[in-house]
Amino acid sequence: EAGVAQSPRYKIIEKRQSVAFWCNPISGHATLYWYQQILGQGPKLLIQFQNNGVVDDSQLPKDRFSAERLKGVDSTLKIQPAKLEDSAVYLCASSSGLAGTHIQYFGAGTRLSVL
Amino acid sequence: GDSVTQMEGPVTLSEEAFLTINCTYTATGYPSLFWYVQYPGEGLQLLLKATKADDKGSNKGFEATYRKETTSFHLEKGSVQVSDSAVYFCASNAGNNRKLIWGLGTSLAVNP
Repeated sequence: EAGVAQSPRYKIIEKRQSVAFWCNPISGHATLYWYQQILGQGPKLLIQFQNNGVVDDSQLPKDRFSAERLKGVDSTLKIQPAKLEDSAVYLCASSSGLAGTHIQYFGAGTRLSVL
Repeated sequence: GDSVTQMEGPVTLSEEAFLTINCTYTATGYPSLFWYVQYPGEGLQLLLKATKADDKGSNKGFEATYRKETTSFHLEKGSVQVSDSAVYFCASNAGNNRKLIWGLGTSLAVNP
């Protein structure tokens, strides 16, 4: 079974530029998550999708971050414009969403450096 | 609110030493508890889980027991290996969306 795929693995941009990350979850997983992980900290949930609907985006900085999952499968996360403090690893995860399990499977992440 | 607290690192051990990483949680309701591991340059992987009180999760020689009375889920391994060097995260799920609540992570370095 293929895991969660993310691209790119690394991205370096200058502040005020825009950047996009892509995620393809495990086949059949209805729930998709985007996390931001700053060095030395635990993951911070940015947004959670159930199929193509948003379940939780309470910690997404909506003035600069956006995410979509138009067909309920793969997803993109965009930052525009980027700030220095956006330097982090962006993790995508998916789960089957079945009650009682909710195990999240993670991709390798995209490491973003904003200069 | 719901939270997870785990011991600060870094933890440095010699090969074959005993490992304990403490984790405590606060939650409304009855969360499931998880340990995830992040090897250098890789994404997070589920190491083990427990879904109810007194459950013991185990995997790759690691164990953790869900202790409701002490609200704890400490990670243990009897004999660590160099390949266990990684960052370990404790997490609970809670609330209507079963959102994961994460600890800050504990870095483990095992020396040969």
